[in-house]
Amino acid sequence: GDSVTQTEGLVTLTKGLPVMLNCTYQTTYSPFLFWYVQHLNEAPKLLLKSSTDNKRTEHQGFYATLHKSSSSFHLQKSSVQLSDSALYFCALKNYGSSGNKLIFGIGTLLSVKP
Amino acid sequence: NSKVIQTPRYLVKGQGQKAKMRCIPEKGHPVVFWYQQNKNNEFKFLINFQNQEVLQQIDMTEKRFSAECPSNSPCSLEIQSSEAGDSALYLCASSPQGRQNTLYFGAGTRLSVL
Repeated sequence: GDSVTQTEGLVTLTKGLPVMLNCTYQTTYSPFLFWYVQHLNEAPKLLLKSSTDNKRTEHQGFYATLHKSSSSFHLQKSSVQLSDSALYFCALKNYGSSGNKLIFGIGTLLSVKP
Repeated sequence: NSKVIQTPRYLVKGQGQKAKMRCIPEKGHPVVFWYQQNKNNEFKFLINFQNQEVLQQIDMTEKRFSAECPSNSPCSLEIQSSEAGDSALYLCASSPQGRQNTLYFGAGTRLSVL
């Protein structure tokens, strides 16, 4: 069945450094991928989404490119800030189900230090 | 701030008690989802609705949970007999109609079953 894999549980970085959070997926349908960010005690919020192969999508300094050839949708930022500390979830639209729910990865906690 | 409103923010129940939480989806969104986020931050899909009709639900939800999304009233999710393992953050999300549309989450109801 459909699945999403995030390989890092925790990423700790110093402010100003670049970051890449990994996301790979498995699906037999045409993929539609999302990144959500969840700050402590807040709602998960959409950060990025894409269903277009090899096209970079950007928002709030974060960017990702869907690569169907490698089934990947890695999240990147060139210079992290303290306010980027949060949980980041990669999610896949599950077209095989009724109502097109999202399947989430286990999440990556990004911790940015001064 | 999220336009999906969930109440209460916190809920404390004893084992065997009923636990009810509510969700007001974003205006104009006919599709509503409930997810459970456990202490490891993993998302588990519970049930979704479109215009008051259940689209899909998992076995656990069918057996122990009661959920509805009446017109002109908040959606609700109720655990009939709470168990310790039900302690989690319950997230409601709504979405416009259509396969390409995004889920918008509320801040959740954190249930603690003592």
